[in-house]
Amino acid sequence: EPEVTQTPSHQVTQMGQEVILRCVPISNHLYFYWYRQILGQKVEFLVSFYNNEISEKSEIFDDQFSVERPDGSNFTLKIRSTKLEDSAMYFCASSDKDLIRVHEQFFGPGTRLTVL
Amino acid sequence: EDQVTQSPEALRLQEGESSSLNCSYTVSGLRGLFWYRQDPGKGPEFLFTLYSAGEEKEKERLKATLTKKESFLHITAPKPEDSATYLCAVRPTGFQKLVFGTGTRLLVSP
Repeated sequence: EPEVTQTPSHQVTQMGQEVILRCVPISNHLYFYWYRQILGQKVEFLVSFYNNEISEKSEIFDDQFSVERPDGSNFTLKIRSTKLEDSAMYFCASSDKDLIRVHEQFFGPGTRLTVL
Repeated sequence: EDQVTQSPEALRLQEGESSSLNCSYTVSGLRGLFWYRQDPGKGPEFLFTLYSAGEEKEKERLKATLTKKESFLHITAPKPEDSATYLCAVRPTGFQKLVFGTGTRLLVSP
């Protein structure tokens, strides 16, 4: 069964450093997403990406964040200068395009980001 | 503001003891309501999509229902392997994002 994969599973970084989180969405999906979950809190939407551009973003997704689809399979989230409060689990998700019905979003296993 | 509230926060059941989890939502327009299961340290695993009031979906011991203001996840005769956090999320009309609740942590004891 196709699945979303993410690397690395755990990333430890120093405050102020740049990190890149990587995801391989399900191959025939057209929409890609990043969410985050701070320990003990809700899963929060960051950004959605469609047709090589951002289609929607939340207030959390400020200038420190960027997303890219560098090739036909990978989808990345970059945090330019990490802060302590960026420590969280980051989930990538993908979905097919809504036509007759709304399509579910399938989530990857997550990358745990720890900022020291 | 779109909001999802889940109750109870935590639920402890004996194996075979059926129960229901609640998801109340306020949203300007509902494109879909989703139930996910999340195991510790893992990503949400899709369970059900519900689109309109009155709709029901079933999968093994789980049954999800939807009204205009809330959804229920009914668990019939649960087993220890059903222990997980169950997340409810709504997709507001006109948006791609999912808005999640805080989840219900379910523990099923043998």
